Amino acid sequence: GENVEQHPSTLSVQEGDSAVIKCTYSDSASNYFPWYKQELGKRPQLIIDIRSNVGEKKDQRIAVTLNKTAKHFSLHITETQPEDSAVYFCAASISGANSKLTFGKGITLSVRP
Amino acid sequence: GAGVSQSPRYKVAKRGQDVALRCDPISGHVSLFWYQQALGQGPEFLTYFQNEAQLDKSGLPSDRFFAERPEGSVSTLKIQRTQQEDSAVYLCASSLFGLAGGTGELFFGEGSRLTVL
Repeated sequence: GENVEQHPSTLSVQEGDSAVIKCTYSDSASNYFPWYKQELGKRPQLIIDIRSNVGEKKDQRIAVTLNKTAKHFSLHITETQPEDSAVYFCAASISGANSKLTFGKGITLSVRP
Repeated sequence: GAGVSQSPRYKVAKRGQDVALRCDPISGHVSLFWYQQALGQGPEFLTYFQNEAQLDKSGLPSDRFFAERPEGSVSTLKIQRTQQEDSAVYLCASSLFGLAGGTGELFFGEGSRLTVL
């Protein structure tokens, strides 16, 4: 089955700096890669996703890049703010958002004011 | 309601007790998932429903775990004879489309935190 690995496990950045979180996946059949943000005790919330037919997607301060050959994808957050502090999970599925997701273990992002 | 609703939010059970966790998905959503999230880990897939049909239960860790969605809306996850290793947050999620449907977003509930003593 699919295996999603996420690294590093923690990341601390200064407010205003950029943060990059990387994930790798194992199943070349995976075609959908969402990123979720989870604040302590809250539900995971989708912040951005990318499908295998594109290499990059951007939404304001957030962007995701996908390298299908290397089987890795990355989340980029620019101009970080303290409210970006949370746990970020990457995930992968072989059949879009309506099929089961395999999640990484998560990374704790801390943005220092 | 506007979002996925789960109850109870917190449940403490003694080892060996049975528990039932409820999920109210967003009205009209075809797909419903249950995930288990252990402390400090990512969610792990348990089971999937498309309307009332349970199409995938490959993630259920043992036969003590049972899920149903009899009318294609509300779902219940039942855990029999709870063990300490069952302690986790159980997340329910729904999406508008089924497996063969169009693109969509997965919406999670707040989860039910189960603690087994």
